[in-house]
Formats: sequence, C-alpha cells, structure tokens
Amino acid sequence: AQSVTQLDSQVPVFEEAPVELRCNYSSSVSVYLFWYVQYPNQGLQLLLKYLSGSTLVKGINGFEAEFNKSQTSFHLRKPSVHISDTAEYFCAVSKAAGNKLTFGGGTRVLVKP
Amino acid sequence: DAMVIQNPRYQVTQFGKPVTLSCSQTLNHNVMYWYQQKSSQAPKLLFHYYDKDFNNEADTPDNFQSRRPNTSFCFLDIRSPGLGDAAMYLCATSRVGTGKVDEQYFGPGTRLTVT
Repeated sequence: AQSVTQLDSQVPVFEEAPVELRCNYSSSVSVYLFWYVQYPNQGLQLLLKYLSGSTLVKGINGFEAEFNKSQTSFHLRKPSVHISDTAEYFCAVSKAAGNKLTFGGGTRVLVKP
Repeated sequence: DAMVIQNPRYQVTQFGKPVTLSCSQTLNHNVMYWYQQKSSQAPKLLFHYYDKDFNNEADTPDNFQSRRPNTSFCFLDIRSPGLGDAAMYLCATSRVGTGKVDEQYFGPGTRLTVT
C-alpha cells in the first residue's frame, strides 16, 4: 500500500515570495505522482503530474515539482506567489499500473499582502 | 468544454432522510469515482465504477450506495444520513486502459449538510 505525507499543514507566505510545499511518499511499487489545488468550496484541479522521464515537472500557474526517487519526495515550488494562490494543495500518488489515488493530508497556503 | 458536473452544489437533508447526489461527465471516461471530504481533511475514496463494474472500498459504510446507469451519469445514495456524513462529496472521472495514463478530473463537489 502507498502512503503520502505532507509535512506542513499550513504555510503562510508573503506575496511575491517563493514557496515550497513538501511531499514524501512510500510505496513498494512504482508510482505516479500528482499535485492538485483546491480553492474554497471547489473541486480539485490538477497542477502537474509526474509519470516518467524528466524529474523536473512544470505545471500550470507557474508551479513546478521535482521527483526525487532516492528521497521518495515530490516537492512543489513556485518562485513568486500571488494572492490568488491562497488555497489547499494536495499531493497524491497512484500505482503505476493502476489509477486509485492516495492523498496526503493537504497543505493550506495563505498568501499575505 | 468537456467537464464533470455535480448537482446540486449544496444539499441540506434531515437526519435519516435518504438523499441522492448526482454526477455527470462529458469526457466519455470509463471510470467514475466518489470521494468524501470532511472539513480540513484529504478526500477519501468511497467507491468507483470501472465501466459497469462497481468497486467498493473496504471501509465504506453500507449506508453509502452508488448507481451508474450509463457512461455519463453516476449517483451517490446515502440511505440514512447521520450527522457524521456532513461533508463535501466529490465526483471524479478518468480514462484507464488503452496504454495511456490519465489523471482524475474532479467536479466542483456537493456540500452536504445534515440537520
């Protein structure tokens, strides 16, 4: 079985500052990795995904993430955040041969002016 | 635009009164999922349909049922809602098979209140 740990439950950050959201996973098989964003009272929107290939993945809204197999991590970064990035962010994994997602506990990002 | 639609967005029901939540999709995806998300928690998978095959998660209470009459629609039935069932219910879809991995596409959710 897989598990996902998001090390920070809340991350306050000032506007235009960089942000990094940490995600570590454990799995005995190969996995695919995802980051989703959830704005208040809305569903989840995919930011980016890692399936294979280059370990640096670029997504929407200026976000990127790096897959590190040796450290079993998939941290999300943005070099300069906007007020509109205030949201909850979920890291998720699925087995490479399957499609069921296992989510981390989420990280709430609050961007302050 | 192809999308996942959930109706209603907000649903209020009484304790013990059956309620049905609806999900439809225009993506023609073969897999549909229902998640329960309680406040400040991650989504928790209740069950999913792979085509017509129903797959229940081991810890999903019997109080929760689902129907998928065709590819486009999927329903979540809560037979006797309790106060602990108040949550956001998220529907998602994906395309599985044909050698291609597709992410899950989520609807906007239905927020259920139980009074």
